[in-house]
Amino acid sequence: DAKTTQPPSMDCAEGRAANLPCNHSTISGNEYVYWYRQIHSQGPQYIIHGLKNNETNEMASLIITEDRKSSTLILPHATLRDTAVYYCIVREETSGSRLTFGEGTQLTVNP
Amino acid sequence: NAGVTQTPKFRILKIGQSMTLQCTQDMNHNYMYWYRQDPGMGLKLIYYSVGAGITDKGEVPNGYNVSRSTTEDFPLRLELAAPSQTSVYFCASITTLVGGGHSPLHFGNGTRLTVT
Repeated sequence: DAKTTQPPSMDCAEGRAANLPCNHSTISGNEYVYWYRQIHSQGPQYIIHGLKNNETNEMASLIITEDRKSSTLILPHATLRDTAVYYCIVREETSGSRLTFGEGTQLTVNP
Repeated sequence: NAGVTQTPKFRILKIGQSMTLQCTQDMNHNYMYWYRQDPGMGLKLIYYSVGAGITDKGEVPNGYNVSRSTTEDFPLRLELAAPSQTSVYFCASITTLVGGGHSPLHFGNGTRLTVT
């Protein structure tokens, strides 16, 4: 799996958009980008994933650069409950075997 | 449909004791994973399995053993507990989707283990 790099921490004001970056410069053509978040040491929760097109669901939007070497997770209207550690991982869909996480980004949403 | 179930939720072990952390999933997922998470840190892969009878080492396998005799169960064994194994342990699973690709990871709620 490709290595990912994320900032260790970010702050965001409640009601504003939170933009969380992820660098995956060694990503290969068939590797998907997945985002998870973890609240208070609970099991991580799936948010969204994509291959090369931008994706949107009820939780967030995922913007992947044209060269696929980086991506941004966007929480359009952050709430206090979005305070969590956010993990970006890349995984080859055809293998699905060894899956490793980085250290993630601690997002703190402030009132 | 319970998803991924881990037992016990909490456990305190003395140094040198042994125990098995249980993980079972009722989604017929073929891939299963064990992670550990130390306080304030990210998840580290211990072992994983791509199907019944097949297991492989992850990033931090030392001090642990696994088995996968059925699709549903993926127990993690600690033979000689050490304080360095104090951590939260998460089990997770994914499945192959019809038409190709895999589902996102489904995680259990974790087992909090303290070794003193």
